[in-house]
Amino acid sequence: QTVVTQEPSLTVSPGGTVTLTCASSTGAVTSGNYPNWFQQKPGQAPRALIYSTSNKHSWTPARFSGSLLGGKAALTLSDVQPEDEADYYCLLYYGGAQPEVFGGGTKLTVL
Amino acid sequence: EVQLLESGGGSVQPGGSLRLSCAASGFIFSSFAMSWVRQAPGKGLEWVSGLSGSGDNTYYADSVKGRFTISRDNSKKTLYLEMNSLRAEDTATYYCAKALSNSPKNLNYWGPGTLVTVSS
Repeated sequence: QTVVTQEPSLTVSPGGTVTLTCASSTGAVTSGNYPNWFQQKPGQAPRALIYSTSNKHSWTPARFSGSLLGGKAALTLSDVQPEDEADYYCLLYYGGAQPEVFGGGTKLTVL
Repeated sequence: EVQLLESGGGSVQPGGSLRLSCAASGFIFSSFAMSWVRQAPGKGLEWVSGLSGSGDNTYYADSVKGRFTISRDNSKKTLYLEMNSLRAEDTATYYCAKALSNSPKNLNYWGPGTLVTVSS
């Protein structure tokens, strides 16, 4: 049973920078896991932010960036805005019969 | 404009069945893989099932394998999730999501979701 782990919660000040990470129980996360990142605000469906590690969708604000960092997938938010307060989920691809696994999510508080 | 709209959710007793639908528009439906993702109340996202654009390749989470069946009707631009032997732990909002290609990785668009409640 593959487990994908994220920080349960993080707090950042407006205008600050924060990095969320996504680790795999199978070992280092690589580009072959095609890391995706999603943002979800209360009462809303998830919204895609990043795909294939670092690619942004057309609607993704420039202050969001994705990368691989120390064997994990990472989502960095720069110049954090109050509206960035939300839950963030990563999704990793493993192929095979059960190819996709979500992380447990990170609750980001902007304070 | 890409739009996804789920339907078919509701209340069902344990052991019962339900079929969810996801109507798609705004893109060439048959060219893209689709997935179902669920979220139990107050919990995180769980990937449930996916299939290729042609419907030939299907994928399931271990938690639903043997009980749920994913399918699609490309002529109707509709994705389905047939859910049997439902359990209390299947209670969740179910989202359909579109992939960026014919592979289920890299999801981009999501529907608003439909709530399934399994309770006696």
